[in-house]
Amino acid sequence: DSGVTQTPKHLITATGQRVTLRCSPRSGDLSVYWYQQSLDQGLQFLIQYYNGEERAKGNILERFSAQQFPDLHSELNLSSLELGDSALYFCASSAGGWNEKLFFGSGTQLSVL
Amino acid sequence: GIQVEQSPPDLILQEGANSTLRCNFSDSVNNLQWFHQNPWGQLINLFYIPSGTKQNGRLSATTVATERYSLLYISSSQTTDSGVYFCAVEPVGNAGNMLTFGGGTRLMVKP
Repeated sequence: DSGVTQTPKHLITATGQRVTLRCSPRSGDLSVYWYQQSLDQGLQFLIQYYNGEERAKGNILERFSAQQFPDLHSELNLSSLELGDSALYFCASSAGGWNEKLFFGSGTQLSVL
Repeated sequence: GIQVEQSPPDLILQEGANSTLRCNFSDSVNNLQWFHQNPWGQLINLFYIPSGTKQNGRLSATTVATERYSLLYISSSQTTDSGVYFCAVEPVGNAGNMLTFGGGTRLMVKP
């Protein structure tokens, strides 16, 4: 168990809908990251938050947004969902957000039908 | 952006065998990590190793940063080692864990 908690584990929804994925980092970690894993794109970095502030952005679509709350948990919001958004979404955390070991949650499997 | 290539893409071993997985990257890095994705999809961090050599039980890793490659050694493999092994890097100049992942090596260990 990495100590990073993600909910829900599975999510099935329809095109055009909006969903929210939730992540609680390891105790004491200030940085939260979101990654997407799909068959065609592999594992891709989406976005990073450090102590409530957005710190780095990767290949995140404009339809997607995230935030980190004062208690350090994070939410990834996916809207106007398309079939191609079906993927495994991982949250990860690290202590300070610099070059250090990254710990991943068990992921949320999103299926858009 | 930085390119990360892993080889071999697939590997089948008999239990007890040893193996070496390779990760080549196209630019200088200040962050390199190895992960194991088990058959249930969980990503487990094996090593944070931007340079040098580390060992953890039957696993060890070596990164030669000047030559832009890293190796993961698995000795006396077990069926529980099955899964996909990913190398992930971040180029010098970035600050953080914006990792670029390789395509992975899919390992199957047969009893």
